[in-house]
Amino acid sequence: ETGVTQTPRHLVMGMTNKKSLKCEQHLGHNAMYWYKQSAKKPLELMFVYSLEERVENNSVPSRFSPECPNSSHLFLHLHTLQPEDSALYLCASSRYTGTAGNTIYFGEGSWLTVV
Amino acid sequence: QKEVEQDPGPLSVPEGAIVSLNCTYSNSAFQYFMWYRQYSRKGPELLMYTYSSGNKEDGRFTAQVDKSSKYISLFIRDSQPSDSATYLCAIKVNQFYFGTGTSLTVIP
Repeated sequence: ETGVTQTPRHLVMGMTNKKSLKCEQHLGHNAMYWYKQSAKKPLELMFVYSLEERVENNSVPSRFSPECPNSSHLFLHLHTLQPEDSALYLCASSRYTGTAGNTIYFGEGSWLTVV
Repeated sequence: QKEVEQDPGPLSVPEGAIVSLNCTYSNSAFQYFMWYRQYSRKGPELLMYTYSSGNKEDGRFTAQVDKSSKYISLFIRDSQPSDSATYLCAIKVNQFYFGTGTSLTVIP
C-alpha cells in the first residue's frame, strides 16, 4: 500500500473508444504525475500537476487529456489511441515539485492494451 | 547524453550472493538519489533515498553515492529469491530522472 491508488488496473480498449484512468493519493501531497512505462525504456513523464495546476506537459499527443480536479485526484482521459500507446501508465505523487527535496511515490499502475 | 545511465542486465545470481546495481549520471547539480524496486506488473516501490555522498544502510540494502564520480550504487546482501525484480535508480534536481532499470533474478 503506497498511498497512491490507481483504477482500473487493466484496460483493453479499441482505437475508437474513450476511457479514463483514475488516480487518488492519500499522502497529503501537492504534486501529482502521469508517467508512461514501456518495455526497455525509461519512465516517460507525461504530465505534472502542482496544486491542481498543470506545470509540465512533455509534448504528449492530444489523444491523452489530463484532469486534476483537486490535489488528491488525477485523471487521464484517453481517446482514439494507437496500438503503440499500449503500456503501463503510472500515477505518482510527491510533496512538492521543483527543487525542494522530496521523493516520489507511485501507484500500482494501469496496464493499457489498445487493440 | 542521457541524464541517467543504468545497465539493463539481466543479472542472475545465486541465493545468498551480494548484488551490486549501478547508475551513472551526467549533471553534477543532481542532489537527491533514490532506488526503486519494481516487481513484474506492479508499480515502482521506493526502497532507499539519500541526498549526500557516502553510504546509507537499511537492513540488507545499502545505497552508496559518489558525487565526485557521479556514480550511485545499491548493494543487496544475502540476496533472496524475493529480491527478484527490476531495480530503478532515480535522481532529482528540479525534476525526477529515471534509469531504464536492471532486471535481477535470484536463483534459489
